[in-house]
Amino acid sequence: EVQLVESGGGMVKPGGSLRLSCVASGFTFSDAWMSWVRQSPGRGLEMVGRIKRETEGGAADYATPVKGRFTISRDDSKNMLFLQLNSLRADDTAVYYCTTVPRRSFDHWGQGALVTVSS
Amino acid sequence: ETFLTQSPDTLSLSPGESATLSCRASQSVATQMAWYQQKLGQAPRLLIYETSNRATGIPARFSGGGSGTDFTLTISSLEPEDFAVYYCQQRFFWPWTFGLGTKVDIK
Repeated sequence: EVQLVESGGGMVKPGGSLRLSCVASGFTFSDAWMSWVRQSPGRGLEMVGRIKRETEGGAADYATPVKGRFTISRDDSKNMLFLQLNSLRADDTAVYYCTTVPRRSFDHWGQGALVTVSS
Repeated sequence: ETFLTQSPDTLSLSPGESATLSCRASQSVATQMAWYQQKLGQAPRLLIYETSNRATGIPARFSGGGSGTDFTLTISSLEPEDFAVYYCQQRFFWPWTFGLGTKVDIK
């Protein structure tokens, strides 16, 4: 059974930083492109970014609102995905989901981690 | 960015009735449209990928159609567990984008 479990959410002040982690199991993590998706009442569901497999260079793409502030990385030896959030703003407040990048019917989401940016 | 407009915002129906949900893209996304179902407190669950293919374990009462800019999700006979919010997502242009959702609630 595929499982994705996020951790690291919490409350942070504007301008602050946070690091989210996601541990994966039940599939060959190193073969998978991975992504982060966020959801908030104000912005709905929104792609944050995705990261390729290491065998394809491991590069990441980002959505415009987070480019230059957020960084996605992976550690295949630990089956883990990370999201470093810097220069946080109030409109980054959301539930952040770790997901597999969809490949036909292979599409899995974690339970989500809440990030609240507030002074 | 490719914008997706879902309609209606809310659909109020009774169990056993059929539901037709629409999603219009601001530019052609070929057949790269997916549909998700989300229940309160849960992550979205994939229903349909590439316009008309049901994901693993999804009942046959869910079907998808369309191409280019206009897509539909049809639920042929609503079961009690189908009352939820439904989102479309295009996977043709990066960043992939989602619609704002259609809520199917009990009349």
